[in-house]
Amino acid sequence: EIVLTQSPGTLSLSPGERATLSCRASQSVSSNYLAWYQQKPGQAPRLLIYVASSRATGIPDRFSGSGSGTDFTLTISRLEPEDFAVYYCQQYGSSPGTFGQGTKVDIK
Amino acid sequence: QITLKESGPTLVKPTQTLTLTCTFSGFSLSTSGVGVGWIRQPPGKTLECLAFIYWDDDKRYRPSLKNRLTISKDTSKNQVVLTMTNMDPVDTATYYCAHRGYLSGSWDTGNFDYWGQGILVTVSS
Repeated sequence: EIVLTQSPGTLSLSPGERATLSCRASQSVSSNYLAWYQQKPGQAPRLLIYVASSRATGIPDRFSGSGSGTDFTLTISRLEPEDFAVYYCQQYGSSPGTFGQGTKVDIK
Repeated sequence: QITLKESGPTLVKPTQTLTLTCTFSGFSLSTSGVGVGWIRQPPGKTLECLAFIYWDDDKRYRPSLKNRLTISKDTSKNQVVLTMTNMDPVDTATYYCAHRGYLSGSWDTGNFDYWGQGILVTVSS
């Protein structure tokens, strides 16, 4: 089973700042099948990025994904108030699909 | 517009069997390539994929839980049902159903582009 390690655990930033979130896999993720989700309290996750860098339907272009192999990054170019949430990465290149432990982006 | 909604008991006793229903709209589970998955999230923890079912009735399970899980579908009702036997307090979690997304790789896994609101299931005597 592939283990995903997200860093940092918490990121404290101000609106308008750039957020850079990391996801590192214990082994190479097949075909870059890596997704990013946003989750707010009491809500279901929302798909942001799939296959490492493709934005899901309706996702603003301030969200971007990059990386390959074992190292992946989610970048939020300028934080909006609604972006403060927990972000999870998920690999689905190998069974079972696994999620990272999450990075919380909170308001500084 | 794709929507999904989970229903079922919110409290079960240890050793009991949990049965959850996912009722969806906006897509058909008889369309080639379509799949629905179940995912759970214990309070304050990360997410875990449990099972998938596909348009052709192919079923896939998380290996570590395979002997406890059964997934099925009723295409005419637009429903997917998940049963989990021998429930334990560690199975306390919010259970989600979700539509398997585009470019999801092998049939054993996938990303999820539309999610239900989730149902919190507590296992306690």
